[in-house]
Amino acid sequence: GAVVSQHPSWVICKSGTSVKIECRSLDFQATTMFWYRQFPKQSLMLMATSNEGSKATYEQGVEKDKFLINHASLTLSTLTVTSAHPEDSSFYICSAWARGTSGPRGGELFFGEGSRLTVL
Amino acid sequence: GQNIDQPTEMTATEGAIVQINCTYQTSGFNGLFWYQQHAGEAPTFLSYNVLDGLEEKGRFSSFLSRSKGYSYLLLKELQMKDSASYLCAVREGNTGFQKLVFGTGTRLLVSP
Repeated sequence: GAVVSQHPSWVICKSGTSVKIECRSLDFQATTMFWYRQFPKQSLMLMATSNEGSKATYEQGVEKDKFLINHASLTLSTLTVTSAHPEDSSFYICSAWARGTSGPRGGELFFGEGSRLTVL
Repeated sequence: GQNIDQPTEMTATEGAIVQINCTYQTSGFNGLFWYQQHAGEAPTFLSYNVLDGLEEKGRFSSFLSRSKGYSYLLLKELQMKDSASYLCAVREGNTGFQKLVFGTGTRLLVSP
């Protein structure tokens, strides 16, 4: 089945620094990828939709300049948390629809393993 | 915006049956998913409904009523390993641009 890989799994950084998280589709091409954030004991919140070759679409309330998304190829999307602060500490997870599975039937969304960010 | 609501927590005993409800109000509905998530891990796919009715898959079943904006996940013969969070998610949008929006999630604790 389709596999989405995310890196790094864990990252600890100092307040004020920037952190980049990579999301790769390993055996399929993904024109669209999704970035979610999950705080402890809460559900996944969609942050933005990453579109290959164009600007990302951000959900309401998500700061575009804070969370930079780049989708330069059909297999790679990156999320950069700029000038990170302790309140940005969270579990970030990416996902993608494998091509051919977004029709009216089936259509599983494949998730990366997630990246746990801790900002000191 | 979207409202996808679930009970926050539920408890049940091993071997029992539990039903987790999900109500939603959303635009451009194009299917409802249920995921299981253990702490610190990515969600894993459980079931998918796009038409009204019941979909059965082993110990898990999922029901959808589009007119009522309602779904439930039924877990039978509960096992300790079923202790996890269960997430209802609605797919929105037309083919070519679809996003998955998650509900509030339900933490299920299965006790001996």
